[in-house]
Amino acid sequence: EAQVTQNPRYLITVTGKKLTVTCSQNMNHEYMSWYRQDPGLGLRQIYYSMNVEVTDKGDVPEGYKVSRKEKRNFPLILESPSPNQTSLYFCASSLEATVPWEMSDTQYFGPGTRLTVL
Amino acid sequence: AQKITQTQPGMFVQEKEAVTLDCTYDTSDPSYGLFWYKQPSSGEMIFLIYQGSYDQQNATEGRYSLNFQKARKSANLVISASQLGDSAMYFCAMRDDNYGQNFVFGPGTRLSVLP
Repeated sequence: EAQVTQNPRYLITVTGKKLTVTCSQNMNHEYMSWYRQDPGLGLRQIYYSMNVEVTDKGDVPEGYKVSRKEKRNFPLILESPSPNQTSLYFCASSLEATVPWEMSDTQYFGPGTRLTVL
Repeated sequence: AQKITQTQPGMFVQEKEAVTLDCTYDTSDPSYGLFWYKQPSSGEMIFLIYQGSYDQQNATEGRYSLNFQKARKSANLVISASQLGDSAMYFCAMRDDNYGQNFVFGPGTRLSVLP
């Protein structure tokens, strides 16, 4: 079954304690992305990756790190979490559109990780 | 400038009625894609419908259709015969090369279907 998995699904932690949220996809997608969702703000992109070892900042990268050592995995790292990083996080993947009609390939989302930083 | 605008934070519709959720977008790229996603209270993101900038006809998927007005840069979602299960957040998103093929999302519209 084609899917994007995220772990953990729920996490409560304290300020300053490093954490990693894992993301894995089994569809051989080149493109992977992390979003955070906050009420009234929709989904805001944190980081994205066009392929292995290629990552770039999205709209809200401060306080986050990512890596893309393998095509299927794209972990999100919070080195020193703070309460303003309390949010719902989504990982997503999609095919890279190499021709215009491939733009129709949708993003596949993971189930989400609800993070609370106390 | 906001790339995707959804001006309706919340909408109500009577069961079995049709409802239109608004979305306007901003891009200078002639090749782009527009997507709608549904997020029920359980939290998962569900892909509903896609419209390509070069598509001649409005997209339809079952009870969902997209009213695409390219000159006005709008891509409104129309849900016909609303059902109670349609109550959810709805997000409009765009993908184009100007933004590195990133998916850019609007703030969403919360739809409530009334019995």
